[in-house]
Amino acid sequence: AQSVAQPEDQVNVAEGNPLTVKCTYSVSGNPYLFWYVQYPNRGLQFLLKYITGDNLVKGSYGFEAEFNKSQTSFHLKKPSALVSDSALYFCAVRDNQSAGNNRKLIWGLGTSLAVNP
Amino acid sequence: DTEVTQTPKHLVMGMTNKKSLKCEQHMGHRAMYWYKQKAKKPPELMFVYSYEKLSINESVPSRFSPECPNSSLLNLHLHALQPEDSALYLCASSQDTVNYGYTFGSGTRLTVV
Repeated sequence: AQSVAQPEDQVNVAEGNPLTVKCTYSVSGNPYLFWYVQYPNRGLQFLLKYITGDNLVKGSYGFEAEFNKSQTSFHLKKPSALVSDSALYFCAVRDNQSAGNNRKLIWGLGTSLAVNP
Repeated sequence: DTEVTQTPKHLVMGMTNKKSLKCEQHMGHRAMYWYKQKAKKPPELMFVYSYEKLSINESVPSRFSPECPNSSLLNLHLHALQPEDSALYLCASSQDTVNYGYTFGSGTRLTVV
């Protein structure tokens, strides 16, 4: 079965330190991977995606993610965390078992990031 | 315009009421989505419209009725809801159902009393 795992419910980092939010996936075929962020009482915002090409993907707000095919991972990273990065982060992968206009996303359960001043 | 606009932002309705949620985008996106989200949980897909046609219905109860009047508008009609339907309802759009750089609206916070 296709799935996405975010092994950490909560990640705490100090402001200015690097941050990593982990994501692993299981999907048939080539993975299409995504990260979204949700600030309190807001909708989700697209951060970045990997479809093909360079394994290091750069996205919004200084975030980047590294695709690792052998480890089936797509960890989100940022060199220097800000307090304003505190939010809920979701990893998602395209469902490759549906076709055409019936494609949809499979979502991880989310990781709550808290950046402490 | 790079936004998805949802109205209303908050809605309280009784179990016998009929109400509608509205979603609008002017980015030329041809795929539009309704999601339901409970607090601190991932969004749950409800419906997908592709080129104004319903392409996915995730076995949503008939008390939720989607409508896509044109390529820019998406409605969700609500009737006879239950308290457990209280949630954040999110609309999203994307260029198509293959490119998943979704743009989400801020959502409608629905409370059923």
